[in-house]
Amino acid sequence: AQKVTQAQTEISVVEKEDVTLDCVYETRDTTYYLFWYKQPPSGELVFLIRRNSFDEQNEISGRYSWNFQKSTSSFNFTITASQVVDSAVYFCALSEGGWSNDYKLSFGAGTTVTVRA
Amino acid sequence: NAGVMQNPRHLVRRRGQEARLRCSPMKGHSHVYWYRQLPEEGLKFMVYLQKENIIDESGMPKERFSAEFPKEGPSILRIQQVVRGDSAAYFCASSPPFPNIGNTIYFGEGSWLTVV
Repeated sequence: AQKVTQAQTEISVVEKEDVTLDCVYETRDTTYYLFWYKQPPSGELVFLIRRNSFDEQNEISGRYSWNFQKSTSSFNFTITASQVVDSAVYFCALSEGGWSNDYKLSFGAGTTVTVRA
Repeated sequence: NAGVMQNPRHLVRRRGQEARLRCSPMKGHSHVYWYRQLPEEGLKFMVYLQKENIIDESGMPKERFSAEFPKEGPSILRIQQVVRGDSAAYFCASSPPFPNIGNTIYFGEGSWLTVV
């Protein structure tokens, strides 16, 4: 069963628009971690955020913000005022079972974001 | 992800040949992980290694794949007798020793294997 679902396969926006990427996860563990990674066209994976299951505070980092809602098992990611450099594939990931297991990430299939000038 | 070095970045092999992918972890990191990204899919965990030890290989295919992390030198992911289905991006990641609450693993730039 898919543990992380990113329902949006592709999103295309015009520069300066906001874009929200959905991530829904599934776990029976009470302790788990959620991640977002960015994969630009060059291919490397860039770590964006790590959030543990006990911290439901939303987070903002520059133009990026994350909304974690345990009630709906979602960890959505919003890019405000998108720029062409934001064009990439974005992956949501889950690790279960506490910090000792947080190397074992289950990735979603990714959402390809294209920002047009 | 600066510091996790993978090579080669791109590798082409004919069916039946062997592929060797290398990974040097970030400075100070003694744990290495390998993930595979098949075309248009997310990454999937393969193996977790410490120096001279395989800790978790639950994601490794049963045949043809092996990984090592020797006392000296990089970690190596070895694929014997490659087939077209092995064509993928192989990502290495590293982390400091556990417990290290608050740390995460950092990925390298990936090695793209194409089997022709």
